[in-house]
Amino acid sequence: DGGITQSPKYLFRKEGQNVTLSCEQNLNHDAMYWYRQDPGQGLRLIYYSQIVNDFQKGDIAEGYSVSREKKESFPLTVTSAQKNPTAFYLCASSMGLNTEAFFGQGTRLTVV
Amino acid sequence: AQSVTQLDSHVSVSEGTPVLLRCNYSSSYSPSLFWYVQHPNKGLQLLLKYTSAATLVKGINGFEAEFKKSETSFHLTKPSAHMSDAAEYFCVVSDPGYSTLTFGKGTMLLVSP
Repeated sequence: DGGITQSPKYLFRKEGQNVTLSCEQNLNHDAMYWYRQDPGQGLRLIYYSQIVNDFQKGDIAEGYSVSREKKESFPLTVTSAQKNPTAFYLCASSMGLNTEAFFGQGTRLTVV
Repeated sequence: AQSVTQLDSHVSVSEGTPVLLRCNYSSSYSPSLFWYVQHPNKGLQLLLKYTSAATLVKGINGFEAEFKKSETSFHLTKPSAHMSDAAEYFCVVSDPGYSTLTFGKGTMLLVSP
């Protein structure tokens, strides 16, 4: 079954801790993305990657980091520098940067 | 500049009545346009896409959208709403002059019995 898998579905973190969200795709897509979703604000782009070992900052990259060591994987780390990390995080992939994107089921992160 | 405006944050309809979700876009080039649907605590699913072929685009679940360049609009319609259509809908523009997609802020569709 082709698709994008995000894990975990729910994640709780204490303030001051870093946490890593997983995103894996088996669609053979070159481009991958991380979005943050807050109520009433739509989707905001955190980071994106067009090829392995290369990635660019999106609109709200501060407090986040990513890596792209394999084509299939694009993990997102939410660092302690992110001031308001509680949100719904969505990973997506696409053949190219301007083509339709396919989304994972999301990870809901809550800071406690 | 590339931007998307969804004109209504919430739309309420009764089951069996038509649905209209409005979207205007701004683009410097010939854009591609998409509509996505999101059910609560789920990812986004592609409903339909316009990529400079036919201006009337048919999607899944009976939805369709019409690309009107003169009005810079890409409104989403469905003749008869079903309870399962209740969800949030996002209009998205893809402009060749930009690296990534631009999302509207979403329209929540509420369907009452």
